[in-house]
Amino acid sequence: ETGVTQTPRHLVMGMTNKKSLKCEQHLGHNAMYWYKQSAKKPLELMFVYSLEERVENNSVPSRFSPECPNSSHLFLHLHTLQPEDSALYLCASSQERTREAGNNEQFFGPGTRLTVL
Amino acid sequence: AQKVTQAQTEISVVEKEDVTLDCVYETRDTTYYLFWYKQPPSGELVFLIRRNSFDEQNEISGRYSWNFQKSTSSFNFTITASQVVDSAVYFCALSEVNRKRNNNDMRFGAGTRLTVKP
Repeated sequence: ETGVTQTPRHLVMGMTNKKSLKCEQHLGHNAMYWYKQSAKKPLELMFVYSLEERVENNSVPSRFSPECPNSSHLFLHLHTLQPEDSALYLCASSQERTREAGNNEQFFGPGTRLTVL
Repeated sequence: AQKVTQAQTEISVVEKEDVTLDCVYETRDTTYYLFWYKQPPSGELVFLIRRNSFDEQNEISGRYSWNFQKSTSSFNFTITASQVVDSAVYFCALSEVNRKRNNNDMRFGAGTRLTVKP
C-alpha cells in the first residue's frame, strides 16, 4: 500500500459529462500533484499544490480544474472533455521543506484510467 | 526541448543478465535533482532513488546501482542479475527550478520498458 489512494480507478465519460477524480494521501505530506500519462508520451505534470497553494500550469486546458481543500485531499474536476483527454491520471504527494515543491521523492497513487467517448 | 531523454524504448533480457537503463538530461541550473521511478503493471510509480546535483557519488542498493556523471549529464541505472519481477517501465526524472513560477518543474523521460524473461 502506497499511502496515496485514488478513486475511481476507472472512469468512462461522454464529452458533455462532468465528473471528478479524487485523491487522498495518508502520509502527512504538504505537496500534491496531478499528472497525465498518455500512451507514447512522457508523464506530464498538470498541477502542483504546495502548502495548499496552487502553482499554475498554463499549458493545461481549462476543462481541467483542480481543487485542494486541505493538505490530504486533491480533486480534479472534469467537464466537456475531448477523446484525446483519455489517459491515466496519476496523483502524487511529497513532503517539501519550502513552498518550492518537486525537490523530494513523490509517492504515487494507482491512477484513474479515464476514457472519454 | 526535451529535458530528459531515455533513448531505450524497450529492453528485453533473460533472467540473471545485467541490464543498464540510460538517462541523459539537460539543464542550465547548478542545483537540480534527479530521480528514478519504477512503474509495474499495477500502474503506480514507485520511487527508487533521488540524487541532488552536488552529490556525484555512485550508489548501490542491493541489485540496483546508479551512475551519475555530471560531465556527460547522465544518470544511468543498472540492475544486476535481473529477475522477472524487475519487469516494468522505468522512468528517469529531473526536477529544476522554474524561476517564472518560483517553483520546481518535474520532467519525466518517456520511460524504458524492461522485460525480463525466465
